[in-house]
Order: sequence, then structure tokens, then C-alpha cells
Amino acid sequence: SAVISQKPSRDICQRGTSLTIQCQVDSQVTMMFWYRQQPGQSLTLIATANQGSEATYESGFVIDKFPISRPNLTFSTLTVSNMSPEDSSIYLCSVSGTSGSDEQYFGPGTRLTVT
Amino acid sequence: GQNIDQPTEMTATEGAIVQINCTYQTSGFNGLFWYQQHAGEAPTFLSYNVLDGLEEKGRFSSFLSRSKGYSYLLLKELQMKDSASYLCAVRDRDYQLIWGAGTKLIIKP
Repeated sequence: SAVISQKPSRDICQRGTSLTIQCQVDSQVTMMFWYRQQPGQSLTLIATANQGSEATYESGFVIDKFPISRPNLTFSTLTVSNMSPEDSSIYLCSVSGTSGSDEQYFGPGTRLTVT
Repeated sequence: GQNIDQPTEMTATEGAIVQINCTYQTSGFNGLFWYQQHAGEAPTFLSYNVLDGLEEKGRFSSFLSRSKGYSYLLLKELQMKDSASYLCAVRDRDYQLIWGAGTKLIIKP
């Protein structure tokens, strides 16, 4: 299993500002993902963070709004840019191996409120 | 499109048994996962099925029928701490995880 930490755990931000969320894993992992979870709803994949190259974004998410970095196999950041109240959500970092049977492990999440 | 269906909410009594169903339509199939998520916490892995049949793990069991696109999670001897959301997720042919909306399970004494 992997132990994942995220910083910050929560934040309250003003409209128009940006927030960078950090994800640190205690071991080298192949796959890292960023999810968003609105209250009472399921997980929505934002993007797959690729080491040494641009992230792979899901439909509806773009790099200008959610730039992602992954400088090595244990660390990634997600920035939520030019925030609006609609960006208020929980952002989760997740990791897994590449085997089909590999489960995903999740970080504790970052609770973002945009006012 | 890809779709996973689960009941939105279920209620059960402490000590009883509950079955949470999940049906899926995905582009290919490379396994089905069940996760538990307590309010305000991250999801945690419960079970994985890739072949038809029942996988038992303590009080929790998970069943899969690939021909029917169907799975269920069976929880026995329910405890108050089992109150949580249960998420069904399918790994498609591109190895992407497709998530259901989750089933909120309420346990009553």
C-alpha cells in the first residue's frame, strides 16, 4: 500500500485567485491521478499526472484552468487557477500501479471553498 | 457511453445483512472495485473482482457476473461504523477507472 499526504488539507480562497495543492507519496508510484468530488457526489477524474511530460486531461478539464506538475515519481501538484465558487469541492490525489488488479489509493483530500 | 448504476441510498438495521447492487456498461472490462467512503474522508479499497463468482473477505463479500454486467457488495452483521458511502468502479479496456455515483448506506440501531 501507499501512504499519501496532501497539503493544504483545506483552504478558503477568494474568487479570481489560484491555489496549488501538493501531493506526496511515501514510495515511487507509476500512476498518479487528480480527482474532484462535489459534496454528496462521486469522483470525477480531472487528469492523469505524467512524470516528465504534460498531464492527460479528461473531457471538460483544461491545462490553463488546472495546471499539473509531476517532477518525479513521488510528488505532484495541482493548481486551481482563477477560481470561482463553482470550483468549491474536495480535490483528491490518487495513486496506483499499472496492473489491472491494482487498486487506487487516495490521499486525505483538500477541501476548497471559494468565496 | 459508459455508465455505472447504483442505488442512491439504502437503510439497514444493525446486525442485519444488506446487499448493494451495481450494474455497468463500459467499453471493455478489466475488473470491478468496491470502495468505502466515510463522510469527510477519502475512499478506501474494499474488494476487487475480475472473474465471475463470489469473493469473501470477512464480513464483506463481493459478487461479479460479467455476462450480466452486474456486481453486488454484501455486508453481514452490520455495525454502526458501516454507515458510509459505497462506490462501485469498473476498469475499462483503456485501464481507466469509471466510477459509480455511490450508495449511501444508513445503519439504524
